[in-house]
Amino acid sequence: AQSVTQLDSQVPVFEEAPVELRCNYSSSVSVYLFWYVQYPNQGLQLLLKYLSGSTLVESINGFEAEFNKSQTSFHLRKPSVHISDTAEYFCAVKGNTPLVFGKGTRLSVIA
Amino acid sequence: DTGVSQDPRHKITKRGQNVTFRCDPISEHNRLYWYRQTLGQGPEFLTYFQNEAQLEKSRLLSDRFSAERPKGSFSTLEIQRTEQGDSAMYLCASSLEGRRAGWDGYTFGSGTRLTVV
Repeated sequence: AQSVTQLDSQVPVFEEAPVELRCNYSSSVSVYLFWYVQYPNQGLQLLLKYLSGSTLVESINGFEAEFNKSQTSFHLRKPSVHISDTAEYFCAVKGNTPLVFGKGTRLSVIA
Repeated sequence: DTGVSQDPRHKITKRGQNVTFRCDPISEHNRLYWYRQTLGQGPEFLTYFQNEAQLEKSRLLSDRFSAERPKGSFSTLEIQRTEQGDSAMYLCASSLEGRRAGWDGYTFGSGTRLTVV
């Protein structure tokens, strides 16, 4: 079975500051890793994914995440956040079971 | 393709009533998933289908819950004799399995928010 731990439930950050949302996973098999974003009263939108190849993956809106197998981590970073990035972010892992999610990190960007 | 559609978006029901939700997946996707999300939590897996076959059910899916996917297209999730603890967002997702290159993972619908009063 797989599991995901998101170490921070809430992260407040000022606009234009950098941010890191932490994610660690546990699995006995090879995994795919994902970050999803959820805006209020909406479903989940895929932000970025790691399937194989380069361990650094990027999204179209400036987020990036790095797969670190030795530390079993997949932290999400953005060098400069915008008000519109305020949302709930979920890390997810897929091994030999359906997608397993962490509890989420609420990112609040302060003007 | 309009993505994954869920209906209704919101449902308020009295305790003890039955409710049914519908999910229309992306048409070429062969897998369909149901998740439940409560306030402050991440989505929790309930069940999934490969075409019309229900392949796995979570322990969260009590006997009051039943899901179907007739003809391998849309799916319904029914909750009988609803309880206040059933109040949650019910999310549906679909995926195309069997083609790893460029796999996009799961595409989620906007969810059905159930409130049991």
